[in-house]
Formats: sequence, structure tokens, C-alpha cells
Amino acid sequence: QKEVEQDPGPLSVPEGAIVSLNCTYSNSAFQYFMWYRQYSRKGPELLMYTYSSGNKEDGRFTAQVDKSSKYISLFIRDSQPSDSATYLCAMSQNTGFQKLVFGTGTRLLVSP
Amino acid sequence: DTEVTQTPKHLVMGMTNKKSLKCEQHMGHRAMYWYKQKAKKPPELMFVYSYEKLSINESVPSRFSPECPNSSLLNLHLHALQPEDSALYLCASGGVYEQYFGPGTRLTVT
Repeated sequence: QKEVEQDPGPLSVPEGAIVSLNCTYSNSAFQYFMWYRQYSRKGPELLMYTYSSGNKEDGRFTAQVDKSSKYISLFIRDSQPSDSATYLCAMSQNTGFQKLVFGTGTRLLVSP
Repeated sequence: DTEVTQTPKHLVMGMTNKKSLKCEQHMGHRAMYWYKQKAKKPPELMFVYSYEKLSINESVPSRFSPECPNSSLLNLHLHALQPEDSALYLCASGGVYEQYFGPGTRLTVT
């Protein structure tokens, strides 16, 4: 079993839809959770980061962490074609410097 | 400013060449990272520098040699690479809770 599981997709939605992206994990020591967006042939762009359980909102994006279920989510409201990309979850248990464990990434396609 | 810069953007090198990748950050982070990413895969950690000291080497072959001249700069020296080393090489710098990636150097070994 992988430490972090993420559905590779592709996930296809129409423009304006609410998108839900999810990761599950097995290591209860993970404390820091991140979501990255990566366009083809570009570096990952940090969208959201959270520490421990709870919700965090930034514009159209909401990150949710449920440590009791070992489950994290990223919601995208009013999705746009420009949101079409691969979304990677990442998590770590370290402070000082972090050894990130990534999900495999979910490819999202938003059609006009 | 949450920018990590990398040069060059693209690099083609032969198996006998020596080249270097460069990375710079001005966010005051004390941890910097090198990753390798193959197509349709997540980034794989290669090296971590913390406070300018090599803290993690993920059993990377010696043909990859990292260097951290100061807290803002990170280099990756390449020598005698193999075609299977062709990939996107990513630099990142990190605060307490997060890491920011650069745009990457796309490396092709011929």
C-alpha cells in the first residue's frame, strides 16, 4: 500500500462546476498538507497549505483536512478551463525541513 | 515574493559533458531541495540542504553533485549522465509549513 493514494483521473467537468480532489494517507504522523497545481512541462505551483485538521479557504479554493479519517480534499468552485492541469497532494511530518510524500496526481480537464 | 528561479530552462548534453543547473531563492528559507520528475510521475526527492548543509541524499548516483554556496543559491553539477537521466529537474525552497518550486530545467541527455 502506498503512503499516499490519489486517483489519477482524468476528471472531466464542465466550466463552472465544483471540483473535488482527494487524497488518503496511511501515516498518522503527517502534519503538514499541501496542494500543488502543475501545468504540462512546468514546475508545481503551491495552491494551498494547511497544518493539522480543519478548513482553509483562498478565493475559489478550499483545502480540507480530516486527520481522524486520514483524508484531505481540495475543492475548486466555479472551475475554469485554465484550471485544467494535474493536481498533486503532498504531505510531511517534519519541521525545519520537509521530506514531502506526494500523491500520484489527478489530471483535471475543465471543458468550456 | 514567493519566487524560485532556475537556469537554464532547457539543457541538452552528451553523456561525456559536464554541466550545472542553478537555483536561486530570496524568500529567506533555510531549506532548499532538488527533485527529479519524469513524465506523468510526481517529483522524486534527490537532495535536501538545511542551513547550507547537506541533510538528505536519497541514494543519488555520484554523477549528480549538489552544492549550496550560500543560503540563497543551490547548484546541481552533472557529469557523465545517462539517457535515463533525462527529466525535469526541479528546485524548491521551504518554510516551516510549505515548499515552493521553481519552473524546472528540462534536461535531455543524448
